[in-house]
Amino acid sequence: KAGVTQTPRYLIKTRGQQVTLSCSPISGHRSVSWYQQTPGQGLQFLFEYFSETQRNKGNFPGRFSGRQFSNSRSEMNVSTLELGDSALYLCASRLDSSYGYTFGSGTRLTVV
Amino acid sequence: AQSVAQPEDQVNVAEGNPLTVKCTYSVSGNPYLFWYVQYPNRGLQFLLKYITGDNLVKGSYGFEAEFNKSQTSFHLKKPSALVSDSALYFCAVRENQNFVFGPGTRLSVLP
Repeated sequence: KAGVTQTPRYLIKTRGQQVTLSCSPISGHRSVSWYQQTPGQGLQFLFEYFSETQRNKGNFPGRFSGRQFSNSRSEMNVSTLELGDSALYLCASRLDSSYGYTFGSGTRLTVV
Repeated sequence: AQSVAQPEDQVNVAEGNPLTVKCTYSVSGNPYLFWYVQYPNRGLQFLLKYITGDNLVKGSYGFEAEFNKSQTSFHLKKPSALVSDSALYFCAVRENQNFVFGPGTRLSVLP
């Protein structure tokens, strides 16, 4: 059974650009969540999608957005990148809210 | 509101010795508790969870955790540490549909 796949693994962008990250959940998992991980702030919840609808949202500015497609694949977009957006972005999927997460390996975004 | 505390940033233990990584939580209602491990440049891997039932939960790679309701703790333990256990460990609590992760504890197992 394939795990959670995130692409790309690494990205370098310049300030002001925008970026789109992709996540393919485990087959059959309808819930996809995104987390930002930084050394200073730890793991911070961005948002969760379930059956193409945003179910929960963390405390991030509107520059961070996401969506989920009918096949449960999810994308996360960050516009007008700032240096502080440099982080490891983790995607996690689960069957539904009764279960724990399975995480992908993450996308490491560096903003220069 | 829920919260998770991991009081130790770093835990050092000699190979072969028992290890404990501490976690305390604060939630309303019954907690769903989880432990995850993260190796360098990787995502988080599920170790074990407590939903209900036996207070001692057994998980992957020989790890176990003890749920203590009176002390609101969920400490991760292993009887004999391996150098390969060196990693970052996260405790998490699920309340309603949200996951809250602790700040993480870096475990170093010394040969």
